[in-house]
This record gives sequence, structure tokens and C-alpha cells, in this order.
Amino acid sequence: GQNIDQPTEMTATEGAIVQINCTYQTSGFNGLFWYQQHAGEAPTFLSYNVLDGLEEKGRFSSFLSRSKGYSYLLLKELQMKDSASYLCAVMDSNYQLIWGAGTKLIIKP
Amino acid sequence: GAVVSQHPSWVICKSGTSVKIECRSLDFQATTMFWYRQFPKQSLMLMATSNEGSKATYEQGVEKDKFLINHASLTLSTLTVTSAHPEDSSFYICSATAAGEQFFGPGTRLTVL
Repeated sequence: GQNIDQPTEMTATEGAIVQINCTYQTSGFNGLFWYQQHAGEAPTFLSYNVLDGLEEKGRFSSFLSRSKGYSYLLLKELQMKDSASYLCAVMDSNYQLIWGAGTKLIIKP
Repeated sequence: GAVVSQHPSWVICKSGTSVKIECRSLDFQATTMFWYRQFPKQSLMLMATSNEGSKATYEQGVEKDKFLINHASLTLSTLTVTSAHPEDSSFYICSATAAGEQFFGPGTRLTVL
């Protein structure tokens, strides 16, 4: 079956760095997405990786290793507003999105 | 965990035809379902909130007469794209809430020729 795994919850301190991991097993691969979702709001697109390597966008970076079925989202200089759920989703060979359950990130002062 | 399915997963249609997309919560009852649209590498755009037994609430800029939503039961919501045009080609994703959590469907890729 198809599966996306990410931690349920993580806690980090304001100003620090946190890495949210995502591992996947899917039927084919057409890219991996990271979304941020604040409670009660629609998910916001953060990144899309289809090739191996690191993509950096300001305080957020996303890494992909297709051979390992692994990605991570790196958040630097954490701010209180970064408290949210972070969703990992993989598009399979049929262009279907397989969603992770999301990681709830709690930022403490 | 809770599972949300969509059908069809992929549809190609001619301009002017209507397309119905189903969203089902397979192992739970969902009083509220959401319909999103996603353009390449962009955020999910919320189109409407669908409540069982009542009319859907549409976001600003979404034509309710073009995107018909029906939430006939606690496990099924449908989105019908009426008189589809090429600019309606997109990825449509639904989600359902249960116990305060949101679960997403796999999406439906619509291509209008």
C-alpha cells in the first residue's frame, strides 16, 4: 500500500531550528509537497521537490532523497507564528496526492 | 486514520460538458467537507465549505452556479463543474473533518479540452 509517515507532534523553541521528517512509500513519484496549515485555515503551499537535493526559500528549506523515500522540511529562526501543522504530500504515478497525517509544531518562547 | 476518497481520479472532457466529482469519507461521518482547487505549485485555494443537508458556503470569487456542490449524506459530497472550459482544468481536492482534524482526499485531475 501507499504510505506517508511524519511525526505527529514536535516542540521547538523560538529562534531555534527544527527539522520535520517525512518518509514515503508510493506507487511511483511525481513530486513531494510541503504545506503549512494554521488551525481553521486552508493549507498554504511551502515547497515542491521533484529532484533530489535541497531547495531553500528564506527561512524554510526542503530536502528530498528519492532513493530513500525521504524528505524533510527545515525551519530556521523559528517564530511563534510558525506554530502550525505541516503536511507532507506525495504525488504518485497517477498524479494522485497521498497525504501524510501532518506534524503539529508547537513553538515555545 | 480516517480515509477520504475521490472519484474519478482523472477525467478528460470536452469544453461545454459537465463533470461530477465525488468525495467520500470511507470510515467516518463528516458533517463538513471542503472543496479546494490547486494550480501548479500554488496553495490549495478553498472554493467552498459543504455542510450536510444545507447549502454550501462559497468563497469570494467562486461561481456557485458553475461549481455545484451537493452534500447529500454524512459520507458524500459532490462537486459538479458545469459547462467546463479549458480554464477550469485543475486539480480538485476535497477534505473532510472528523473530531477537529482535517483529512484530505487524493484529488481529481480535470483536463478540459
